[in-house]
Amino acid sequence: DTGVSQDPRHKITKRGQNVTFRCDPISEHNRLYWYRQTLGQGPEFLTYFQNEAQLEKSRLLSDRFSAERPKGSFSTLEIQRTEQGDSAMYLCASSLAATNEKLFFGSGTQLSVL
Amino acid sequence: DAKTTQPPSMDCAEGRAANLPCNHSTISGNEYVYWYRQIHSQGPQYIIHGLKNNETNEMASLIITEDRKSSTLILPHATLRDTAVYYCIVSDTGANSKLTFGKGITLSVRP
Repeated sequence: DTGVSQDPRHKITKRGQNVTFRCDPISEHNRLYWYRQTLGQGPEFLTYFQNEAQLEKSRLLSDRFSAERPKGSFSTLEIQRTEQGDSAMYLCASSLAATNEKLFFGSGTQLSVL
Repeated sequence: DAKTTQPPSMDCAEGRAANLPCNHSTISGNEYVYWYRQIHSQGPQYIIHGLKNNETNEMASLIITEDRKSSTLILPHATLRDTAVYYCIVSDTGANSKLTFGKGITLSVRP
């Protein structure tokens, strides 16, 4: 399977701990996105990369959140000092070239902050 | 902010066509209409997109009104596996654009 993969699928952590998620996009895709989704809502945009450059960050992305894509391939999303409000599904998507015509999503990482 | 309006839910019988409506009255000339769906516990899946002409692929058909203010996604022969949340999104394809999801419409296909 050469789709978008995310790791881990589930993460349970205690409030105040740091967590890191990984996303491996489809190999030839230049653009990589992070979204967050809470129950009953559609995915909310967090940030995206064009190759290794982070081009936009949503206001939802507080300074406790940081994302990287060091070599333009896989990406990590780190949340420092987690809060209960961070509990959500974190989705990664990738697309070819510089258009958003077709995004391919991973299955997400479900974060539960206790 | 999502630029589309969808009813919260609908259902249809298995084997029948499912017609999912979407209003996008403020769509601008360079914006496309996209449809994605999300099956429980999975990430969204691209279905189809179009600018002003009707489009068809192996999954669905997209009918866009002449004034482009509304559209309908048609699943010609719905199956139980089509039960999902369907998102209608309008967006341009510029280098700085991104997809903004609303709450979508929950389609329930009944046996």
